[in-house]
Amino acid sequence: AQTVTQSQPEMSVQEAETVTLSCTYDTSESNYYLFWYKQPPSRQMILVIRQEAYKQQNATENRFSVNFQKAAKSFSLKISDSQLGDTAMYFCAFMMKYGNKLVFGAGTILRVKS
Amino acid sequence: DAGVIQSPRHEVTEMGQEVTLRCKPISGHNSLFWYRQTMMRGLELLIYFNNNVPIDDSGMPEDRFSAKMPNASFSTLKIQPSEPRDSAVYFCASSFSRTDYSNQPQHFGDGTRLSIL
Repeated sequence: AQTVTQSQPEMSVQEAETVTLSCTYDTSESNYYLFWYKQPPSRQMILVIRQEAYKQQNATENRFSVNFQKAAKSFSLKISDSQLGDTAMYFCAFMMKYGNKLVFGAGTILRVKS
Repeated sequence: DAGVIQSPRHEVTEMGQEVTLRCKPISGHNSLFWYRQTMMRGLELLIYFNNNVPIDDSGMPEDRFSAKMPNASFSTLKIQPSEPRDSAVYFCASSFSRTDYSNQPQHFGDGTRLSIL
């Protein structure tokens, strides 16, 4: 069974600075997807970024980028130029390429301070 | 485009009552998922449907929980009878699964916060 571990329960960052959220996972599969979802206080679950395991290039979406280390089974999220609106719970999630189940980590609460 | 629509947004009811949560997936999506979020257990997949057929219900906690998808645009999650430990946020999500079974990201509704007194 796949597991996802987020070892940082809470983090804080000053506005405009950069922060990195950690995620590790365990799987014996070679083809899979990794995701970061954001859950602001409004409770929505918003897809931030997606990485396909067979692609070596790290995914980027505007201020959000990942550092995907397949051999280390590590998938960290970097948020550049942090904004107050980035304050949220961030979930790392795993899904097999030919599957439908999302396995979530426990989440990291990120607080952006002005 | 309309996202996944869930109703109600909040539900408060007494123990023993029947609760029905509703979900309308994104048009064109053929997979639908029900999740439960609690402080203790985080986000858990309860059940998912593909082309209106339940594929995996191994996450459904017990017989008090049931889910249906009578057509491509509607699904329900029912709890009968409800218990205080069922209090949680319930999310519905949908995605498009291609014929080669490689799947697209899941898009979530805003969730239903359920409180059982």
